[in-house]
Amino acid sequence: KAGVTQTPRYLIKTRGQQVTLSCSPISGHRSVSWYQQTPGQGLQFLFEYFSETQRNKGNFPGRFSGRQFSNSRSEMNVSTLELGDSALYLCASSFSADSYEQYFGPGTRLTVT
Amino acid sequence: GESVGLHLPTLSVQEGDNSIINCAYSNSASDYFIWYKQESGKGPQFIIDIRSNMDKRQGQRVTVLLNKTVKHLSLQIAATQPGDSAVYFCAADNYGQNFVFGPGTRLSVLP
Repeated sequence: KAGVTQTPRYLIKTRGQQVTLSCSPISGHRSVSWYQQTPGQGLQFLFEYFSETQRNKGNFPGRFSGRQFSNSRSEMNVSTLELGDSALYLCASSFSADSYEQYFGPGTRLTVT
Repeated sequence: GESVGLHLPTLSVQEGDNSIINCAYSNSASDYFIWYKQESGKGPQFIIDIRSNMDKRQGQRVTVLLNKTVKHLSLQIAATQPGDSAVYFCAADNYGQNFVFGPGTRLSVLP
């Protein structure tokens, strides 16, 4: 069974631009969570989607948004990029909203210059 | 909300020795805990989990211990191998809403 895939793997953007990252969960998994990982703050929860609905949201500004499609694939968008948004963005999928077992993708490394 | 911390940011052990990685959490209501391993260039990989109604759980070469009295979690790796070199994170559920991750311990296995 294929794992969680994330595209692109690497991205370089300029301050003020926006970016869209994509995540395809494991087949059959309907819950997708997004995390930001930085050396200073570690892994921080961004949001979780289940059945195309956002269930939970972390403490990030409104510039960070996401959505989930009917096939459970998810995208996250960051608008008006700031230097501090440079991070590894990780997507994790789980079978259901109540399932604690999450499987992470390899992440998208975003660099903002 | 929940906060999770680790006692040591780095740990070096000799190959074949046992490793112990520690983690502290703040929310006594946390019900579920997970240990993850993250190798360079990869996402975190599930190692082992434990629920709050247990104090010990064993897997293949790994054991997780949970002390709810002092809100402390540890991961023990038996007979540490070079392939165990990675960053290890503990995570605690935050009122069932999401997971809060610790800052991570980098384990280096010395030949």
